[in-house]
Amino acid sequence: DAMVIQNPRYQVTQFGKPVTLSCSQTLNHNVMYWYQQKSSQAPKLLFHYYDKDFNNEADTPDNFQSRRPNTSFCFLDIRSPGLGDAAMYLCATFYRGRPGANVLTFGAGSRLTVL
Amino acid sequence: SQQGEEDPQALSIQEGENATMNCSYKTSINNLQWYRQNSGRGLVHLILIRSNEREKHSGRLRVTLDTSKKSSSLLITASRAADTASYFCATDAWGQGAQKLVFGQGTRLTINP
Repeated sequence: DAMVIQNPRYQVTQFGKPVTLSCSQTLNHNVMYWYQQKSSQAPKLLFHYYDKDFNNEADTPDNFQSRRPNTSFCFLDIRSPGLGDAAMYLCATFYRGRPGANVLTFGAGSRLTVL
Repeated sequence: SQQGEEDPQALSIQEGENATMNCSYKTSINNLQWYRQNSGRGLVHLILIRSNEREKHSGRLRVTLDTSKKSSSLLITASRAADTASYFCATDAWGQGAQKLVFGQGTRLTINP
């Protein structure tokens, strides 16, 4: 089945130790998003890619970077995780250009713990 | 900035009862969506209502939209234990080439058997 897959599902890191989370999709969607969701809060958009064009939200910290080497993959890099970066990171995809397709498809998420 | 605000933040009802959740938003929208999130999982799309629609049904779900009040409600009828989850409304915003969804704080729904 076409889907969005995130790895790892659970990541434990130490304060300041870089982390990379991955997202892959078989939907051939041209837009990929990264959301951060802290406990009992709304998902917050960090950035998105429309094809190869990277779009950063104004309040996304510089500590967060992203790469999209091809249509299927997108990575979230956290250069120096702090305790406040502990959260669930959600990847979502969307196809811009298909009429009526305004719905995002989410992966299961990667839960980051920072010790 | 937060677009959607939801209430209640938490709702606990008995199986078989109806559950109603409300969402308010601040700016004009093209559409409003509702998503469900099981604990520790990603979000799953439930239903979309366009700005020119007032009500929409999908199975046991009924969504209303009042653009004059900038509010929406999600009704789940004949609730089941499996409906236990968090429910988020999301409004669309367009920026830099692609749609962005801005989510409300969510309502945590617990269905007691």
